Amino acid sequence: QPALTQPPSVSGTPGQRVTISCSGSSSNIGTYSVNWYKQVPGTAPQLLIFASHQRPSGIPGRFFGSKSGTSAALAISGLQSEDEAVYYCATCDDALRGFWVFGGGTKLIVL
Amino acid sequence: EAQLLESGGGLVQPGGSLRLTCTASGFTFMRYAMSWVRQAPGKGLEWVSGISGTSALIEYSDSVKGRFTISRDNSKNQLYLQMNSLRAEDTAVYFCAKLISDDPDDYWGQGTLVTVSS
Repeated sequence: QPALTQPPSVSGTPGQRVTISCSGSSSNIGTYSVNWYKQVPGTAPQLLIFASHQRPSGIPGRFFGSKSGTSAALAISGLQSEDEAVYYCATCDDALRGFWVFGGGTKLIVL
Repeated sequence: EAQLLESGGGLVQPGGSLRLTCTASGFTFMRYAMSWVRQAPGKGLEWVSGISGTSALIEYSDSVKGRFTISRDNSKNQLYLQMNSLRAEDTAVYFCAKLISDDPDDYWGQGTLVTVSS
């Protein structure tokens, strides 16, 4: 079982706002900041959010990350068809001496 | 531009061994911890192993502990994963990754497929 818990899937229509949750514990999200990744089938994951809420250069402002306590969330506004992908949260974990744990992934379906 | 290139994947029989190599370029390799992350067919990402820049700190996931060994050669800008006693459930695409907290310079290779089957 992944150390971080995500819903298996979420869906929305173009233009809508969706939120993907990521639940952890005091040894991971409670201590460290969170990264969010987008993965399209057959490709490597792409960093969307780092430091829980920061966007790398080139990532549009429609993607918003947040963290509170031992949970984090990724919100996507103005949903577009190209947003359909699998999204993963990831963070470090004291149980692994600061190395990484991932969520199980959330499939975003754009209806 | 930073780049990570994995090699060494392939088909191996259960119980066999394989060594993966990741060659890094475009950043100061020795300064950063590196990880191997795998993805079984149709499944999610699973962190497998990590190593600090000096190799002083090494960790493994419970699923591979005792069977896999991570190492690095900073003079060659290379990261390795020696995989022994391979099982069918180790079948996956293995990504080499520079995972970093609080920093946008997070890099992944394109992955190499390991298939464990008789």
